[in-house]
Amino acid sequence: KQEVTQIPAALSVPEGENLVLNCSFTDSAIYNLQWFRQDPGKGLTSLLLIQSSQREQTSGRLNASLDKSSGRSTLYIAASQPGDSATYLCAVFTSGTYKYIFGTGTRLKVLA
Amino acid sequence: EAQVTQNPRYLITVTGKKLTVTCSQNMNHEYMSWYRQDPGLGLRQIYYSMNVEVTDKGDVPEGYKVSRKEKRNFPLILESPSPNQTSLYFCASSSRTGLLLYFGPGTRLTVT
Repeated sequence: KQEVTQIPAALSVPEGENLVLNCSFTDSAIYNLQWFRQDPGKGLTSLLLIQSSQREQTSGRLNASLDKSSGRSTLYIAASQPGDSATYLCAVFTSGTYKYIFGTGTRLKVLA
Repeated sequence: EAQVTQNPRYLITVTGKKLTVTCSQNMNHEYMSWYRQDPGLGLRQIYYSMNVEVTDKGDVPEGYKVSRKEKRNFPLILESPSPNQTSLYFCASSSRTGLLLYFGPGTRLTVT
C-alpha cells in the first residue's frame, strides 16, 4: 500500500532563503506526482505535476524533482518570500489505481 | 473561469440529519473525487467517479454516498451524519485520472 511522507512537518525560514521540501513514497510504481499549495481555510492549488518519465519540472521560482527509484521528490523554492507561507502537500498517483495518495504536508512560514 | 464549486462552504448540523454537499465543475472533466482532510491524517479519498454513472469507493467510504448523474455534478450525501464525520471536505476534478487535479474551496462540516 502506497504511503507518502513529508518531512519536516513545519519550517520557518527568513525571507530570501532558498529552501527544499521533501516528499517520500513507498511504492515506486507511480504514474505521476503533484505538488500542491494550501492556504489556511482554502482549497488546494496545483503547483507542479511531474510525470513518472520526467526527472524535474520548473515553474518560476519553483523546481520539483523526482527520483522514482529512491521514492523521493523535492520541491525547491528559490528566494523565498512571505507570500510563499502556506502548507505544501505532495500527492502520488500510483499506477493501476484511481486515486492520489497525499502526504500530510509541510507548513512553511517565511519571515519578513 | 474554470473552477470547481462546492456548497455550502460551512455547515453545522446535528447527528442523524441527512445532508448533501454539492460539487460542480465547468471544465467538462470526466474524473471527480471527494476527499476529507483531518489534522494529522492529511487528505483521504472518500469516493471517486471516472465518468457519468461510474462511481467507486476510496479509502474511507463508510457513512457516505455519491451519485454522478451528470458530468458536471458530483454530490456527496451523508444519510445519517455522526460527529466523527466532522471534517473539512474537498471536491476535485481532472480531465482524466492521473492528470492535474483541480480542487474546490472546501466545505467545513461540523456534526454535533
